[in-house]
Amino acid sequence: DIVMTQSPDSLTVSLGERATINCKSSQNILYSSNNKNYLAWYQQKPGQPPNLLIYWASTRESGVPDRFSGSGSGTDFTLTISSLQAADVAIYYCQQYYSSPCTFGQGTKLEIK
Amino acid sequence: QVQLQESGPGLAKPSQTLSLTCTVSGGSISNGGYYWSWIRQPAGKGLEWIGHIYTSGTTNYNPSLKSRVTISVDTSKNQFSLQLSSVTAADTAVYYCARGYSTSWRGYWFDPWGQGTLVIVSP
Repeated sequence: DIVMTQSPDSLTVSLGERATINCKSSQNILYSSNNKNYLAWYQQKPGQPPNLLIYWASTRESGVPDRFSGSGSGTDFTLTISSLQAADVAIYYCQQYYSSPCTFGQGTKLEIK
Repeated sequence: QVQLQESGPGLAKPSQTLSLTCTVSGGSISNGGYYWSWIRQPAGKGLEWIGHIYTSGTTNYNPSLKSRVTISVDTSKNQFSLQLSSVTAADTAVYYCARGYSTSWRGYWFDPWGQGTLVIVSP
């Protein structure tokens, strides 16, 4: 199985500041045939299911605010929130879907300073 | 838009079979080339993919659970179901159903998700 490792485990950021979450895969998840990275990002608020933010590592899902962006390729990926809002307090997960079984990172808890 | 809702007993006894159903509304489960999936999350922990049933009826399971898992579909009711046999306390978790989608055969992301249902395994 591909192991997904997120860093940090928790993050405290001031309102309006940038938040950066990293995700590293144990194997390359860039498919050379279509040049796509098989990585998604989710946001999970307390008591709610995960909500899709980004797929193909950098494609924002419809309705997701543009302060959320994804980047990276191969084995190293980043989720950036450009200007943190109170509504962004949540746990964030990355997921690889390059090979079965798909696997998730352990999560990064984002809090307000 | 498509919505998913899990249902089933919230309590299971060790060694018994856990059974859950996911009802899909706002769209037909038979259409569109989707991977109807189950994912679980133990309290305070991360997410584990259990398996899926594809629109065509084919299934794929996580090897870690494969010997105990069955996912089936009832198109007449627009539902798909999970059975997990020989449960232990380690199977205590919130169980989510979700729709998997991708434009690639290799794999897919999940959207939307059901609200989740807590299943506790206890004597």
